[in-house]
Order: sequence, then structure tokens, then C-alpha cells
Amino acid sequence: DAGVIQSPRHEVTEMGQEVTLRCKPISGHNSLFWYRQTMMRGLELLIYFNNNVPIDDSGMPEDRFSAKMPNASFSTLKIQPSEPRDSAVYFCASTRTGRGETQYFGPGTRLLVL
Amino acid sequence: AQTVTQSQPEMSVQEAETVTLSCTYDTSESDYYLFWYKQPPSRQMILVIRQEAYKQQNATENRFSVNFQKAAKSFSLKISDSQLGDAAMYFCAYRYQGNTPLVFGKGTRLSVIA
Repeated sequence: DAGVIQSPRHEVTEMGQEVTLRCKPISGHNSLFWYRQTMMRGLELLIYFNNNVPIDDSGMPEDRFSAKMPNASFSTLKIQPSEPRDSAVYFCASTRTGRGETQYFGPGTRLLVL
Repeated sequence: AQTVTQSQPEMSVQEAETVTLSCTYDTSESDYYLFWYKQPPSRQMILVIRQEAYKQQNATENRFSVNFQKAAKSFSLKISDSQLGDAAMYFCAYRYQGNTPLVFGKGTRLSVIA
């Protein structure tokens, strides 16, 4: 299995630009999670989907952030406009339905907003 | 809300020795899951070990084992015969049943001294 795939792995952009992060979950997994890791706040949930439906987006910082999951094999996290405080590592994770199933993480996208 | 606390920001251990990383959590639920994830410098999140709360037996995976004390809400990780490759950040995480998000502690940075 290819594992969770994220792209790009690194992104450097200037403040005000639009940033799109992409995630392909493991085939057969029906839940997808976006987490953000920063030094100050650690690992925190942004949003998660079950069967392509957003369940909880309370962790999305503000309206500049949006996420979609148009099908079972693809999700995007968009930041528009980006700000320096958005600099972080963004992880996508997926899991399948079942008791106590493990979440598998992608390699992360390291975002730097100048 | 569920919280996870790792009280040791940094730990060190001599190669081949044993080290224990601490984790406590707070929840009102009785059915949940606990995890230890390892994050090496590559930033990949790697599952080390997991524990189902309904199981009294402590989980073990080769050199890694846990001490799960449900009443005390404690979930420590023991690494035996420490190796240089064990050096990493270690995150304790909690998850309620179902396809729900992980709640992470702040992490413990483990150094292994040759």
C-alpha cells in the first residue's frame, strides 16, 4: 500500500498568496483528518471528514481556511490569503471504519509564509 | 473536553538502557484508545504502540511496552534496550471510539546517548 500521500512536501510563499495542500488517503479508508503542528500549539485538529462529509471543522482557525473532499481519494486544504502565522507543518491522516482503527499519517507539508 | 499531558519535555537515555516516558489524560469516557507516536527528524508520524481501554493487559511491541493504569488515567511508554534510532519526539494521543480525531500531548523529546 502506498500510504497517505501529501503534496507538496514543502511550500514557500509570500503573505497574501493562496496556498493549496493536497492529500490522497489510503485506499479503502473512509475517514480523513487534517492536523497542524506548530511549536506553540503542538498538534491540533483542523477538520475531519467521514465518508467525504465534513464532521467537525471547529479547529479551522478562521475563514481564510477551507477544506474539501470531493471524493474518497482526494482532499484539499486551502488558505487564502496566507499569513506568516500560518507557517506550520500540515498533516493529513486517514483511517477506516472499525473499532479502534489506527490513523495513518502522511509525510506532512511544511509551509513557510514569508 | 479530553486532554493529554506529557510532563517531560525532554528525556535522555544511554544506549542499551531503559527509559520510561510519562503520559496522563483526562476523559469521562470509559471506551477509548491510547497511542504512542514517534516523530523522528523527518517529521513522519509513526505509530509505536496502541492500547484499548477495555483491555486490562498492557500492550507490548518488541522493545516497547506500556503501563496502562485506567483508574489513574496514566499511560506510560517503556523503551527497553534503547537504540540510537529511538531518538525522536514521542507523542501520547487519545481517541474516543469511532472515527474520531486524536488528541495529542505536547510531546517528549528523547535523546539517546552512545
